[in-house]
Amino acid sequence: GQSLEQPSEVTAVEGAIVQINCTYQTSGFYGLSWYQQHDGGAPTFLSYNGLDGLEETGRFSSFLSRSDSYGYLLLQELQMKDSASYFCAGGWGSASKIIFGSGTRLSIRP
Amino acid sequence: GAVVSQHPSWVICKSGTSVKIECRSLDFQATTMFWYRQFPKQSLMLMATSNEGSKATYEQGVEKDKFLINHASLTLSTLTVTSAHPEDSSFYICSADNPGTSGGASNEQFFGPGTRLTVL
Repeated sequence: GQSLEQPSEVTAVEGAIVQINCTYQTSGFYGLSWYQQHDGGAPTFLSYNGLDGLEETGRFSSFLSRSDSYGYLLLQELQMKDSASYFCAGGWGSASKIIFGSGTRLSIRP
Repeated sequence: GAVVSQHPSWVICKSGTSVKIECRSLDFQATTMFWYRQFPKQSLMLMATSNEGSKATYEQGVEKDKFLINHASLTLSTLTVTSAHPEDSSFYICSADNPGTSGGASNEQFFGPGTRLTVL
């Protein structure tokens, strides 16, 4: 099957760094994306890893290790507006179809 | 960027009626669109892949006769929930990729704002 697992909730302090992990099943997998979703809103794209290693985009970085079937999203200099749900999403088979992970709700304290 | 719209943003209907949700790509052509359903505090579940000019591809467990998908043009896909029941109440979201902006390399999907369906 195709599934991606994430911790359900993570809490962090404003200004700190937080890492959200994602593990997945491997058959036919070709890339890992990360999306942010605020309550009641649509998911917005954050990052993509097609190859192993680290991708950095401003305060957000994402990492992929195919050999470990594992990836993570790293958020630095946390701001209150970063409180949201974060989803990893894997691509299998077709070039554009993606399957979403279970999602992690990030809560940030002042 | 690539903009995707959905209409309506919310709808309330009686049990047994059918509801149509439209998904439009406003500034690009989308040969493929995707329909998701999301229950409160849960993840997005892919329901089907909508292909312009051909039949939709449904994910396992999704009833194709219940959720009718039509993708008649390069900018419009519709999802019709037939004979809706309270358990169909959910947040329905569509998405599309735009090879013109992502180049197919980032796998970025552009999402519509979603449609909240409530079936009484």
